[in-house]
Amino acid sequence: KQEVTQIPAALSVPEGENLVLNCSFTDSAIYNLQWFRQDPGKGLTSLLLIQSSQREQTSGRLNASLDKSSGRSTLYIAASQPGDSATYLCAVRTGNAGNMLTFGGGTRLMVKP
Amino acid sequence: DAGVIQSPRHEVTEMGQEVTLRCKPISGHNSLFWYRQTMMRGLELLIYFNNNVPIDDSGMPEDRFSAKMPNASFSTLKIQPSEPRDSAVYFCASKRGSADTQYFGPGTRLTVL
Repeated sequence: KQEVTQIPAALSVPEGENLVLNCSFTDSAIYNLQWFRQDPGKGLTSLLLIQSSQREQTSGRLNASLDKSSGRSTLYIAASQPGDSATYLCAVRTGNAGNMLTFGGGTRLMVKP
Repeated sequence: DAGVIQSPRHEVTEMGQEVTLRCKPISGHNSLFWYRQTMMRGLELLIYFNNNVPIDDSGMPEDRFSAKMPNASFSTLKIQPSEPRDSAVYFCASKRGSADTQYFGPGTRLTVL
């Protein structure tokens, strides 16, 4: 059974810092991995999706990498801003799970002005 | 474009009462997912439908939970009878065909007293 872990569970940084969020998964037979953002009281918004054949994806100040063999992904946020404060979740779609996603517990990020 | 619509946004009920949560997926999306989010267990998939047919309901916790999708634009998740441990935020998500990205609704926060 796929298990997804995110470290740290919470992170507080001053504005302007570059930061890295970590995600690990136990079953490397994945189709893809996604990073989502969740704001308080809101649903999830997809930020980046990396297919199993890809190594990284970039969108603006966000860069996500994938090392399938080691079961790891990182989300790099450059020049963090207070508006980046949210919970970030990673989710994997595993080969034997059809359309199902397995989510990590999330990292709650606070960027202080 | 209207996103995924969920109602009600908040529900407070007493133990033993029936609860019905509603979801309207994005028009043209043919896959629909129900998730539950709690502090203890994170985000878990309960059930998903493809072309209005339930494909995998292995995440449904007990017989007290049931889900229906009578047509392409409407789904319900019913809990009968409700218990305090059902208190959580319930999300509905939809996606189109073989696309990877799921679009989440704002969620229904359920409190069972």
